[in-house]
Amino acid sequence: AQSVTQLGSHVSVSEGALVLLRCNYSSSVPPYLFWYVQYPNQGLQLLLKYTSAATLVKGINGFEAEFKKSETSFHLTKPSAHMSDAAEYFCAVTTSGTYKYIFGTGTRLKVLA
Amino acid sequence: ETGVTQTPRHLVMGMTNKKSLKCEQHLGHNAMYWYKQSAKKPLELMFVYSLEERVENNSVPSRFSPECPNSSHLFLHLHTLQPEDSALYLCASSQESSQQLEAFFGQGTRLTVV
Repeated sequence: AQSVTQLGSHVSVSEGALVLLRCNYSSSVPPYLFWYVQYPNQGLQLLLKYTSAATLVKGINGFEAEFKKSETSFHLTKPSAHMSDAAEYFCAVTTSGTYKYIFGTGTRLKVLA
Repeated sequence: ETGVTQTPRHLVMGMTNKKSLKCEQHLGHNAMYWYKQSAKKPLELMFVYSLEERVENNSVPSRFSPECPNSSHLFLHLHTLQPEDSALYLCASSQESSQQLEAFFGQGTRLTVV
């Protein structure tokens, strides 16, 4: 069975500060990992994905994430927060052939002026 | 149009009504999904179709009835819903291939049951 845990349902950072959103996964087979962003009353938009190639993955809007197998983590970072980054972020895991995406409970990011 | 399109964007229905949600994907994907997103709950996978065949049904009440007439279209038929069914319903699609496993989501339908 697979699972995803996002630590911190709410995170606040100042504009220009580092953004760190945490995601830990559990999977008995090699996972594929994703980060999605959701703005109010919108669908989920893919930020970045890990598919067993490079462990450091760069995505859109300046976000990146590092896959650490030893820590079963896939934390999302951005060096400098922008007001437009305020949204809800979801970590997700799947494996090939399962047609099953398991999502975390989400982290709402607030950016303070 | 590109991507995944859901209609309507908003829907208010009474508990005795029958309505349908529509999803259309223009990505050439071979799998489509319905998710339910309620406040303060994780996304709940409701149904999965692969090549127009249902491959997953997560103990969803029978008042929700999916239909996948072809690989580009997915419907969710609703009847005699309950107020607790009010939520954002998200459609997604994906392509089962070695390096392109990400799901693409539509904008969602905000459903309110009164």
